[in-house]
Amino acid sequence: GAVVSQHPSRVICKSGTSVKIECRSLDFQATTMFWYRQFPKKSLMLMATSNEGSKATYEQGVEKDKFLINHASLTLSTLTVTSAHPEDSSFYICSARRDTYNEQFFGPGTRLTVL
Amino acid sequence: AQSVTQLDSQVPVFEEAPVELRCNYSSSVSVYLFWYVQYPNQGLQLLLKYLSGSTLVKGINGFEAEFNKSQTSFHLRKPSVHISDTAEYFCAVFTSGTYKYIFGTGTRLKVLA
Repeated sequence: GAVVSQHPSRVICKSGTSVKIECRSLDFQATTMFWYRQFPKKSLMLMATSNEGSKATYEQGVEKDKFLINHASLTLSTLTVTSAHPEDSSFYICSARRDTYNEQFFGPGTRLTVL
Repeated sequence: AQSVTQLDSQVPVFEEAPVELRCNYSSSVSVYLFWYVQYPNQGLQLLLKYLSGSTLVKGINGFEAEFNKSQTSFHLRKPSVHISDTAEYFCAVFTSGTYKYIFGTGTRLKVLA
């Protein structure tokens, strides 16, 4: 149990376009999900906390108008990178907190490449 | 505020030798501790976790870690490594107050033949 999926696993887009990444908890409900960004050979940087039915909470320095997060249901959160630029190229990882559990379960990640 | 320090950015070790990857944390509240492994271009895989109880935790692939509250450490060990253990290892702290993970900067384990 406690499986988290991400779609797509890889995406290549042109500069200026928007890209949506989905994060789903497959076999449990997740009131809270998290979005991370990982630069090459670097650690994970928490971007935002996604709360079902309310606005996401963004970490300092993360542009909320650039990275739109929607947590529409207890099993789905989406991250939309708007007007993507090459510097947005990165590995994006989501995680979901299973309610009453003191840990997060991670998705497999999405590799975004902006040309 | 919580923080996690992984002192070694890279650890080279010969195959079948033992290895220890160090992790120290700082927190004013109770924490839960985790070790994750990441293979190239893949997501995080949970190796082991300490939530409560016995301070010696055994995980997958022959790894274990010991929670030392007085030294605020959670070092990862394996008695005999394999080539396939070559990967990036991340230590993480989770606090129930914020439900956030704080990750260390990672240690790249390179197993040499």
